[in-house]
Amino acid sequence: DTGVSQNPRHKITKRGQNVTFRCDPISEHNRLYWYRQTLGQGPEFLTYFQNEAQLEKSRLLSDRFSAERPKGSFSTLEIQRTEQGDSAMYLCASSTWTSSYNSPLHFGNGTRLTVT
Amino acid sequence: KQEVTQIPAALSVPEGENLVLNCSFTDSAIYNLQWFRQDPGKGLTSLLLIQSSQREQTSGRLNASLDKSSGRSTLYIAASQPGDSATYLCAVKGGSEKLVFGKGTKLTVNP
Repeated sequence: DTGVSQNPRHKITKRGQNVTFRCDPISEHNRLYWYRQTLGQGPEFLTYFQNEAQLEKSRLLSDRFSAERPKGSFSTLEIQRTEQGDSAMYLCASSTWTSSYNSPLHFGNGTRLTVT
Repeated sequence: KQEVTQIPAALSVPEGENLVLNCSFTDSAIYNLQWFRQDPGKGLTSLLLIQSSQREQTSGRLNASLDKSSGRSTLYIAASQPGDSATYLCAVKGGSEKLVFGKGTKLTVNP
């Protein structure tokens, strides 16, 4: 169990640029989640996948945000035309879900985005 | 809309003290409640998960209780150590798959 891996750890970009983050979940986990956390706040839910299907999206996920999990393994989160308000820590988490069991979420160390 | 509140926002204690962190939530129709630990600049580590049908969970020096009807949970840390210094977050899961988090309690344990 190597844990949830997120890359890059830090990203600095200029306003208007596009950025993409990657998350590699724990290998046997079928669910993958994206959260966003700003300073002094708890994480806020963005979206989640079960295998390759995106099952729920928050209203926080504007049209500039898109997430994929093409083969039910790693996931990418892309932000187009970044704005300063997008500056935050983007956290990925994974878990195992069955009809009879729900494991706790395991979080990665996040990608810190700074938009200048 | 579910709201989660954690009190106090910050807490500083001497090493060895027993302490209680509080979490309250506005909608009692929850599926489960989780306590997490977050070190500066890092992700979250799951500490305890309590299902809605359970009253408490224990792991080592940690004990979490849940009173769903009153919308409250507490995290009890026994014999605190400097290594326990971190931000502790409470999160509830309701009808959807998303967790709703509080803002956390920043704990400092002084040697």
